[in-house]
Amino acid sequence: DAGVIQSPRHEVTEMGQEVTLRCKPISGHNSLFWYRQTMMRGLELLIYFNNNVPIDDSGMPEDRFSAKMPNASFSTLKIQPSEPRDSAVYFCASSPTLTTDYGYTFGSGTRLTVV
Amino acid sequence: DQQVKQNSPSLSVQEGRISILNCDYTNSMFDYFLWYKKYPAEGPTFLISISSIKDKNEDGRFTVFLNKSAKHLSLHIVPSQPGDSAVYFCAVTTSGTYKYIFGTGTRLKVLA
Repeated sequence: DAGVIQSPRHEVTEMGQEVTLRCKPISGHNSLFWYRQTMMRGLELLIYFNNNVPIDDSGMPEDRFSAKMPNASFSTLKIQPSEPRDSAVYFCASSPTLTTDYGYTFGSGTRLTVV
Repeated sequence: DQQVKQNSPSLSVQEGRISILNCDYTNSMFDYFLWYKKYPAEGPTFLISISSIKDKNEDGRFTVFLNKSAKHLSLHIVPSQPGDSAVYFCAVTTSGTYKYIFGTGTRLKVLA
């Protein structure tokens, strides 16, 4: 299995532009999570889906952030408009179910820089 | 306010010695705890976990200890190897919430 695949690996964009991050979870995994990593706050959960349905988006920082999961093999995280403080590494993770004794499988992340 | 704290941003240990990484949490409702390891340019990978019904879980060179009264968990690596050099995150959750709350990480450097 190729694991959780995220694209792009790096994204540099100008303030005010729309940014779309992509994630392909592991086949057969029913739960998908979006995290953001910053130096100050570590890994923060933004939103998670179960069976393609958003379950909890309370971690999404602002209305500028939105996430979708149109099918079991694809999810997007969109920031519109982007701001310099959105610069961070964004991770997608998937799991067979919401509850697991073995944690989630993370992708390699997308490093976003907003200038 | 941070519910999970890893107060040591970094730690250096000599190869072959013990590495002890610490994690403190604030909410006694947390009942499942995990450690992840992260190499540069990669996502975190699951290392070891422990349920609140236990106070110790061992997997090879890695042992996690849980002190519920102190709201403290630790990860012991014995013996430490240079390949263990990475950032280690603790994560906590309450069963049924499906939310893992991560600490800010401790960067471990094992010196050869």
